[in-house]
Amino acid sequence: ETGVTQTPRHLVMGMTNKKSLKCEQHLGHNAMYWYKQSAKKPLELMFVYNFKEQTENNSVPSRFSPECPNSSHLFLHLHTLQPEDSALYLCASSQAQGVNTEAFFGQGTRLTVV
Amino acid sequence: GDSVTQMEGPVTLSEEAFLTINCTYTATGYPSLFWYVQYPGEGLQLLLKATKADDKGSNKGFEATYRKETTSFHLEKGSVQVSDSAVYFCALPWGGSQGNLIFGKGTKLSVKP
Repeated sequence: ETGVTQTPRHLVMGMTNKKSLKCEQHLGHNAMYWYKQSAKKPLELMFVYNFKEQTENNSVPSRFSPECPNSSHLFLHLHTLQPEDSALYLCASSQAQGVNTEAFFGQGTRLTVV
Repeated sequence: GDSVTQMEGPVTLSEEAFLTINCTYTATGYPSLFWYVQYPGEGLQLLLKATKADDKGSNKGFEATYRKETTSFHLEKGSVQVSDSAVYFCALPWGGSQGNLIFGKGTKLSVKP
């Protein structure tokens, strides 16, 4: 248990569906992140929120839409996805500033687009 | 730009064998360096870290030393166990935040009894 909880753990969706991934952290952190882990590719940072403000969008297609209503919750809204979007989506949190901080990851949502 | 190069796997060892997983980096300045581990079906867990040159991070019998001269952060363990079977990622932060991580491609370790 890392203090970062992701739901659902597994999701299968059609290309015309709309779904959302949820992440919640109980660590008192003020920065949250979405990462994508695909087979045969390095982990990719998608979005960064610091103090609820989006500070990084790593050229992610608009069919992925993040939302951070407060410092403890992060969502990833999905619509009209493609099969190549199938991957493990990992949420992480950390302190936004400071020297000796590190990211804590959730267990991920395994997404399959059919 | 900043990058991490990690030895490709998979690596298969017998129990109690010595483990080395190589990691080299390219970075501006001297960032903290991390090793993360991903057990089957799980997310990533921080295994160890080093925040400055010549620091040695250690945890669960694993060690890695921050070598500025060779820009390396190799992971070692003297005697691996079956429970160490996992994927190991070397990483460094960018942009001033420890959560903005650049990862290596990961090295899958399988330990046989």
